[in-house]
Amino acid sequence: NAGVTQTPKFRVLKTGQSMTLLCAQDMNHEYMYWYRQDPGMGLRLIHYSVGEGTTAKGEVPDGYNVSRLKKQNFLLGLESAAPSQTSVYFCASALTRVNTGELFFGEGSRLTVL
Amino acid sequence: GDSVTQMEGPVTLSEEAFLTINCTYTATGYPSLFWYVQYPGEGLQLLLKATKADDKGSNKGFEATYRKETTSFHLEKGSVQVSDSAVYFCALSDRGTSYDKVIFGPGTSLSVIP
Repeated sequence: NAGVTQTPKFRVLKTGQSMTLLCAQDMNHEYMYWYRQDPGMGLRLIHYSVGEGTTAKGEVPDGYNVSRLKKQNFLLGLESAAPSQTSVYFCASALTRVNTGELFFGEGSRLTVL
Repeated sequence: GDSVTQMEGPVTLSEEAFLTINCTYTATGYPSLFWYVQYPGEGLQLLLKATKADDKGSNKGFEATYRKETTSFHLEKGSVQVSDSAVYFCALSDRGTSYDKVIFGPGTSLSVIP
């Protein structure tokens, strides 16, 4: 029962470097989400996808890009990392519309930008 | 826009004490309401939910009632245990404006001491 798997779990970057976070789910879920978690601010939605080939902006999309080429994978990219992007990133997925369903979360990816 | 407000933490209680974590929301449509819990080092998981006014969600001894008149969804438990130590997030999904998204409050950290 893998559920939602995020890789890598930890990463340290220098300002200006790029990287990609991978989220994979094995539950055949349609909906996938990327959140960032910062102290005192809860979870803020970066981007989300309601199906393969679709993406949409969330609350804090600037500086991030995403792709959903395959239903089971949702990639989050940072083209030019900044210290303000130091955070814990969570991927989540849902089978149905989230107003009635449940979000399933990965264990998080801790990113530090120096 | 839609938003969720929670009581400030951290909250520290002795084992077997009564727990209340206040949550109020602002929504332009008709939201579903959720409590998610995050144990140390893990992702969030759904604790309970309510999808319409006066509904009561319950799970693992926790309860919350959807109060439309006071726009509230307070979390309660009659007797907390050390294992309940975690961060609790109130959240909403608004069928009117953010059908496919879940908006989280800032979280309330709970520590239960023996």
